[in-house]
Amino acid sequence: QVQLQESGQGLLRPSQTLSLTCTVSGDSLRGSSYYWSWIRQRPGKGLEWIGYVYYNAMTSYNPSLKSRVSISVGTSDNQFSLKLTSVTAADTAVYFCSRDADYYSSGTFDSWGQGILVTVSS
Amino acid sequence: SSELTQDPAVSVALGQTVTITCQGDSLTKYHANWYQQRPGQAPLLVFYGKNDRHSGIPDRFSGSKSGNTASLTISGAQAEDEADYYCSSRDTSGYYRVFGSGTKVTVL
Repeated sequence: QVQLQESGQGLLRPSQTLSLTCTVSGDSLRGSSYYWSWIRQRPGKGLEWIGYVYYNAMTSYNPSLKSRVSISVGTSDNQFSLKLTSVTAADTAVYFCSRDADYYSSGTFDSWGQGILVTVSS
Repeated sequence: SSELTQDPAVSVALGQTVTITCQGDSLTKYHANWYQQRPGQAPLLVFYGKNDRHSGIPDRFSGSKSGNTASLTISGAQAEDEADYYCSSRDTSGYYRVFGSGTKVTVL
């Protein structure tokens, strides 16, 4: 059974770069055909898809964040990361990493990390 | 803005049936996925595809789709079903993933 765990900085100043890592156990990023994804949830709000990295390193990003976001597979085969530049208070959210199994080609997030709260404040 | 539209809130009496909907043009081509999120927890995949309940999900949860509208039905709602429910799918271009705005289900 796959498990995901987010880690990284919990408090940032405006204009800094958010960096998070997702550690995956029970699966191999490069050995599987899943989309490894980041999703966030602002306080009291709904879920927002940020983007994914595919096992072959192909990426796709939410158009609203594309100019600031980068997702990549780590040097180890069980980690992928998120970088979001020039953060503002609007980027304060719980960030989830997730495995997108894309069942029926419809983008299916079948496993989730517990989430990590990132606060942007001066 | 979301390309998938959900009603903000619904309520259901304990043991009764409730249906929540997700509407969007991309659903004429793709299936909806449904997630349950209890307060302070990560979302949990509940239902996906034509008729697929995720592992460990009770059979009181079922799904369907007609045209551009997908539905999740809880038959015999239990107190533990009180949660936010989100749908997701691909967007109309097919390149991106999108979530609905979420429906808060209250069990009375």
